[in-house]
Amino acid sequence: DAKTTQPPSMDCAEGRAANLPCNHSTISGNEYVYWYRQIHSQGPQYIIHGLKNNETNEMASLIITEDRKSSTLILPHATLRDTAVYYCIVRVFTIGKLVFGAGTILRVKS
Amino acid sequence: GAVVSQHPSRVICKSGTSVKIECRSLDFQATTMFWYRQFPKQSLMLMATSNEGSKATYEQGVEKDKFLINHASLTLSTLTVTSAHPEDSSFYICSAKTSGSPEQYFGPGTRLTVT
Repeated sequence: DAKTTQPPSMDCAEGRAANLPCNHSTISGNEYVYWYRQIHSQGPQYIIHGLKNNETNEMASLIITEDRKSSTLILPHATLRDTAVYYCIVRVFTIGKLVFGAGTILRVKS
Repeated sequence: GAVVSQHPSRVICKSGTSVKIECRSLDFQATTMFWYRQFPKQSLMLMATSNEGSKATYEQGVEKDKFLINHASLTLSTLTVTSAHPEDSSFYICSAKTSGSPEQYFGPGTRLTVT
C-alpha cells in the first residue's frame, strides 16, 4: 500500500472551513484515497473515500488532484466536535488493508 | 450506518492472566474482521486479519500464540490476550467489513490495563 504524508497538526476556527492536506505521490492506479478520523479514546470513524473524482457527502468533501498525488479533505463548517486525529489512507478498493499513519491532529477552537 | 460493538470497554487484569475481548457486528454480517492495537499518543497498528471460519493472518511481529483470534461466526470475533503482561496494556480496536464492501466499520475500542 502506498504511503501518505500529512501535517502533524492544524488549528481551525469554529465555523470556518478546515482543509486537511495529504500527499500520496506513490499511489497506484487501483488505489483509493480514504479518510478516517478518531476522536480521543474512540474507534476510528469513516469519513469519505474517492478514486479520482471529487467526492462530497454529508460530512465532508474530498478534492483529489488530477495527477492523484495529493488530496484535501474539507470540513465546510468545522465545529468543536470535529476536533480529532484525521487519517488519510490509500488502499486497493475492497481488499487492501487499512494502514494508519500518524495522521493530522485537528484542533477546532472557539 | 453499520454498528460494531466491543466488550468490555475497559478491563484490568493481573499479570499472567488471560483476557478475552469480544467484537460484534450488530446489524451486518462481517466476513472479515480486523484487530488493531494503539499505544498512547501513537497511531493504530494492525495486528491481524480474520475471515469467518478461517485462521487469522497475523502481521509481522505479532505473536499468534499470545494473541489468539477466533472468528467463528459472521457476527463475532474474539481476541484473547494470553499470559498478559504490563507491556500488553493498550487500546485494542476491532473493525469489520462485508465481502465486496469498501467500508470498514470500527468498534469503540477496549482499554486493557495489566497490573
